[in-house]
Amino acid sequence: DGGITQSPKYLFRKEGQNVTLSCEQNLNHDAMYWYRQDPGQGLRLIYYSQIVNDFQKGDIAEGYSVSREKKESFPLTVTSAQKNPTAFYLCASRTTSGSNQPQHFGDGTRLSIL
Amino acid sequence: GQQVMQIPQYQHVQEGEDFTTYCNSSTTLSNIQWYKQRPGGHPVFLIQLVKSGEVKKQKRLTFQFGEAKKNSSLHITATQTTDVGTYFCAVAGSQGNLIFGKGTKLSVKP
Repeated sequence: DGGITQSPKYLFRKEGQNVTLSCEQNLNHDAMYWYRQDPGQGLRLIYYSQIVNDFQKGDIAEGYSVSREKKESFPLTVTSAQKNPTAFYLCASRTTSGSNQPQHFGDGTRLSIL
Repeated sequence: GQQVMQIPQYQHVQEGEDFTTYCNSSTTLSNIQWYKQRPGGHPVFLIQLVKSGEVKKQKRLTFQFGEAKKNSSLHITATQTTDVGTYFCAVAGSQGNLIFGKGTKLSVKP
């Protein structure tokens, strides 16, 4: 079954700790995205990648880092510099064949501070 | 940068009543997409509108794209409890990303 897998589902971060959220897709999509969702807010773009070994900052990249070493994988690291990391993190992907293709989302990771 | 305003933020309806959410942009849009996010879930793509004045239907859901391609609406006829969730519109950003509205959270009282 093709799809996007995010792990873990729940994650707790201690003060000063970096944590990494996993996102894997087997849809053969070129483009991948990370969004942050806070209660009552829409989805805000953190980072995105259109192709392997390349990625761009979104609207709220400060305190986050990503890598795109493989087409299937786009992990997000929430660094200690992100002072308010508690949120719901969503990974998405889409094909770049054809214009304006829809995004497919994973089930998300809920991150909280201990 | 590109922004899209979505209203209302919340809508509470009695089961069987209709529901409408609106998205507005100050600039002409090439297309607009609609997503639904169930409580505790992730956004799921519903539909994309591309043409000026386009109207598309999915069972009780009717999607419209304005003539000027600056606004769009999603209308649900005779809501059911299964319609509960947050409905987002999204427009294309300059780098192939999507820019989402803040969403309309729909609750349905049985």
